[in-house]
Amino acid sequence: NAGVTQTPKFQVLKTGQSMTLQCAQDMNHEYMSWYRQDPGMGLRLIHYSVGAGITDQGEVPNGYNVSRSTTEDFPLRLLSAAPSQTSVYFCASTYDRDRANVLTFGAGSRLTVL
Amino acid sequence: AQTVTQSQPEMSVQEAETVTLSCTYDTSESNYYLFWYKQPPSRQMILVIRQEAYKQQNATENRFSVNFQKAAKSFSLKISDSQLGDTAMYFCAFRHSGTYKYIFGTGTRLKVLA
Repeated sequence: NAGVTQTPKFQVLKTGQSMTLQCAQDMNHEYMSWYRQDPGMGLRLIHYSVGAGITDQGEVPNGYNVSRSTTEDFPLRLLSAAPSQTSVYFCASTYDRDRANVLTFGAGSRLTVL
Repeated sequence: AQTVTQSQPEMSVQEAETVTLSCTYDTSESNYYLFWYKQPPSRQMILVIRQEAYKQQNATENRFSVNFQKAAKSFSLKISDSQLGDTAMYFCAFRHSGTYKYIFGTGTRLKVLA
């Protein structure tokens, strides 16, 4: 099992450019989510999905889009990048909301918007 | 709204000594799960320990243990016999039973000194 795979690991964008952060998991997890990590802010939830075809907003969804067409994949799209979106992004997944199953995280993607 | 508070942004400890990281949370629910995650310089998020709120016994994992005080809504992490490899950012996290939404604290940066 590869776990949660995020690509790319690093990306530099110019303001206004668009890009997609990819996330794939091979553990058949129902739940997938995207977080951003900023200094002094911890991890903040951007969007999440509880299954294919179902997505919902987290704490900081503005400027980001997601879709979940398959159980395995949960891409995060930045339609028009802004410097405020400079951050480290983590994809995470888990299953069974009624047990203490942990989040499995990807390795993170560092995004810089100039 | 649920919140998780880590009041110690940075801490340091001498190698082989014991250190305690604090975490408090706010919820009106009775069934939930608590977690401590470690983020070393590699950026990978790693589960350290988990606690189910309905269990009164404090969780332990080798050198890591928690002091779970449900009435006080406190969930501190004790690291015994600190090692240089424990140097990392530590995040406390909370999740209600029956949901997938995790809430993270802002983190405590721990440095173990040789």
